[in-house]
This record gives sequence, structure tokens and C-alpha cells, in this order.
Amino acid sequence: NAGVTQTPKFQVLKTGQSMTLQCAQDMNHEYMSWYRQDPGMGLRLIHYSVGAGITDQGEVPNGYNVSRSTTEDFPLRLLSAAPSQTSVYFCASSYRATKLVGNTIYFGEGSWLTVV
Amino acid sequence: AQRVTQPEKLLSVFKGAPVELKCNYSYSGSPELFWYVQYSRQRLQLLLRHISRESIKGFTADLNKGETSFHLKKPFAQEEDSAMYYCAFSGRKYGNKLVFGAGTILRVKS
Repeated sequence: NAGVTQTPKFQVLKTGQSMTLQCAQDMNHEYMSWYRQDPGMGLRLIHYSVGAGITDQGEVPNGYNVSRSTTEDFPLRLLSAAPSQTSVYFCASSYRATKLVGNTIYFGEGSWLTVV
Repeated sequence: AQRVTQPEKLLSVFKGAPVELKCNYSYSGSPELFWYVQYSRQRLQLLLRHISRESIKGFTADLNKGETSFHLKKPFAQEEDSAMYYCAFSGRKYGNKLVFGAGTILRVKS
């Protein structure tokens, strides 16, 4: 198993550009999510999905879009990049969507995004 | 409101010294508590969870409901323990969502 795979690892964008961060998992996990990591703020949940066709907003969803057309993939779209979206983005997945007890959340390696 | 508080941004200790990374949470129910670790430029990985009552790499953490704390402890720090540590919790009303603290950088000096 490759686990949780994120691409690209590094990206520089100009303000106003759009882009998609890809996330794929090969563990047949129901639950997938996107976090952003900022100094002094910890990890904040952007969007999450409890299964194919189902997505919901997290703590900081503005400026981001997601879709879950398959169990494996959960792309994160930046609609019009802003400097405030400069961050490290982590995708995560877990086997069961209903409860965390006994289920580990697996993280991708992160995507470093800079918006200039 | 901050639901998970890690009061120290940076904790610096000498090798062999005891370590305590503090974590307090705010939740009116039965939370599930976790510690995640992120070594330099690596992905986050689960270190331990309160429900397992386990010791991983010499670290332990006890859930204290009276003090709403889940401090991470290790009696003798090693240089390889240097990393960013995140406390996280989830509760029934948060579904499967993990709420993270701001993180504490642990630096173990030789």
C-alpha cells in the first residue's frame, strides 16, 4: 500500500490563479479530509468527506472546494489563490467514518503552497 | 474558542531530562484524546491515544478529566525525540473530526 499520496509537494502560485491539490489513498478508507498547517495555529480542518459523493465543511472552508467522486480520491481546489492561503496542506484518511476509536488517521506527506 | 490548548510553543530540554508536554482541552462530554508527532519534514503520525493506555517510544499520557488535561510525558528525553508534537481530540459532536492544538516544538539538546 502506498498509503496517502499528495501531489504536488511544492507549488508557487500567483494571486488569483487556481489550482488543485491531489490526494489519493489506496486503503479503501471511507473518511478523507484536508487540513492546513500554519505556525501557531496548529492544523485546521478545511473540508472532509465521509464517503464517495459526500463532503462537508470544516473549520476554514472559504476559498476552497472539494469533491469526492471516488473512494480513493479527494482533490482540494483553490478557486482564486490569495497570499493568506500560503500554507502547508495535509490530506488525511481513516478507515471508518463513524468513529475514531480504534481507527488511526493516516496523513499524507504534505504540500507546501506559496501564493505570491 | 480554543478547544485544545498547548501552552508552550517551544520546549527545550537536555538529553536525559524528563519531558512533559502540556495539553488541556475544553469539551463537555467524553473526549477521545490523541498525541500526534511530526518529525522534521515528515508526515504527521499517531504517537498514542488515551483509550489504548499504551506507552510508545517511552512516552505516556494520562487523561485527567478533573483537570481536563492530557499531558505527554517521558522520563528521559532522547535527541531523536526532537519534533513537533500536536495534541488532538475528538468528541461525539465533532463526528470523526480531529481538533488539533497549536503544537509544541520539542528540542532535545545534547
